[in-house]
Amino acid sequence: KQEVTQIPAALSVPEGENLVLNCSFTDSAIYNLQWFRQDPGKGLTSLLLIQSSQREQTSGRLNASLDKSSGRSTLYIAASQPGDSATYLCAVSWGNTGFQKLVFGTGTRLLVSP
Amino acid sequence: NAGVTQTPKFQVLKTGQSMTLQCAQDMNHEYMSWYRQDPGMGLRLIHYSVGAGITDQGEVPNGYNVSRSTTEDFPLRLLSAAPSQTSVYFCASKADRAGANVLTFGAGSRLTVL
Repeated sequence: KQEVTQIPAALSVPEGENLVLNCSFTDSAIYNLQWFRQDPGKGLTSLLLIQSSQREQTSGRLNASLDKSSGRSTLYIAASQPGDSATYLCAVSWGNTGFQKLVFGTGTRLLVSP
Repeated sequence: NAGVTQTPKFQVLKTGQSMTLQCAQDMNHEYMSWYRQDPGMGLRLIHYSVGAGITDQGEVPNGYNVSRSTTEDFPLRLLSAAPSQTSVYFCASKADRAGANVLTFGAGSRLTVL
C-alpha cells in the first residue's frame, strides 16, 4: 500500500531558528510530491511542488528536497517566524494516471514562539 | 475570481438524514475532488471527477454520491448520514488532467452527525 508518513507530529521552535520537516513515502515510483500549509479551521495552501525528475524546489524561505531512492522529502524553513505557525502536510501522487490522486501524510504541527 | 467555494461551512445532522455539500469553482478546472480530514488520518480521497459527466471513486467512497453535470459544480451527497461521517470535508480542483498543476482547495465544510 502506498503510504505517506510525517514525523514529528508536532514541533515547537523559537523564532529565528532554521528547521526541517520530514516526509517519507513507501513507493519510490512517484509522479510528484507537494507540500501544503494548513492554518487552523482553514483549507490547504500549496507551498511547493516537486516533480519526480526534480531534486528540489525553492520559494522564498522555503526549500523542499526530494530523494526518491530513499523515499524521503524534507521541507526546510529558514529563519522561522511566528507567522509560520501552522500544520504542514506532505502529499504524494504515484504513477502516471493523468490526474492527481494525492495520498496525504498526517502533517506536522509547527509552533514558532516569539 | 473566487477560487473554490464550499457551502455550508458548518452543518449538524441527525443519523439517517440526507444532505448535499456544495462545491463550485470559477477557474474552468477540469479536475475536481472531495477529501475528508479526520484527526490522525490525514486527508482521504472520497470521489473525484476529471470532467463534466465523468466521476470515479477514491479511497473512501462508501456512503457518498457525486455527480458532475457542469464544469463548475461538484456536489457531494450524503444519502443517510452516519456518525462515522462526522468530519471536515474539502473540495479541491486543478486545471489539467495531467501535468504538474497544483490543487486549489476550498475552505472546508465541518459536518457533525449526531
